[in-house]
Amino acid sequence: SQQGEEDPQALSIQEGENATMNCSYKTSINNLQWYRQNSGRGLVHLILIRSNEREKHSGRLRVTLDTSKKSSSLLITASRAADTASYFCATSGGSYIPTFGRGTSLIVHP
Amino acid sequence: EAGVTQSPTHLIKTRGQQATLRCSPISGHTSVYWYQQALGLGLQFLLWYDEGEERNRGNFPPRFSGRQFPNYSSELNVNALELEDSALYLCASSLLARSYNEQFFGPGTRLTVL
Repeated sequence: SQQGEEDPQALSIQEGENATMNCSYKTSINNLQWYRQNSGRGLVHLILIRSNEREKHSGRLRVTLDTSKKSSSLLITASRAADTASYFCATSGGSYIPTFGRGTSLIVHP
Repeated sequence: EAGVTQSPTHLIKTRGQQATLRCSPISGHTSVYWYQQALGLGLQFLLWYDEGEERNRGNFPPRFSGRQFPNYSSELNVNALELEDSALYLCASSLLARSYNEQFFGPGTRLTVL
């Protein structure tokens, strides 16, 4: 069964706006990762946040993790048309197998 | 440095046939993972190989099998193909380290079963 569940399923915004995606999960985790997938291609790793971290930044990306609420958010600031993609969260617990959610489809209109 | 490569890019088979998909990990990576991504769904974990051994498998029937070679490349075999096996099959590799691992994905093989 899926561990992480992304919300919303789809998001449509204008270039320059910020995009926020959320991920909720059910069991305790060691880390949570966010990936991007462009139109039916392979996934690209964006950022990893460990269970003892609360926030991480990478360029225009900001990830937060709230282990008490079992949730994470991915914020993309000043979005660009090239950010159009599907975004997945993946959680890892005791095993070495990240469990992926169904993803959020983001469309950024130029 | 070359990334994860997969072949073929596309594969069209008919029901009942067998399919073989191949994956070459990033140099130095010993772990290879296989995932199935059916249309509109997230990634479903299939198999994990590390150092030539199958370490874990997902909730898939035995007709999904594979192996990892001494050079750490891997093969996924799907026997007795069914229509619902049509999907994008993604391979990922990682350098296993403690309790976390960043996976590097290949471009995928799109399998169509007619």
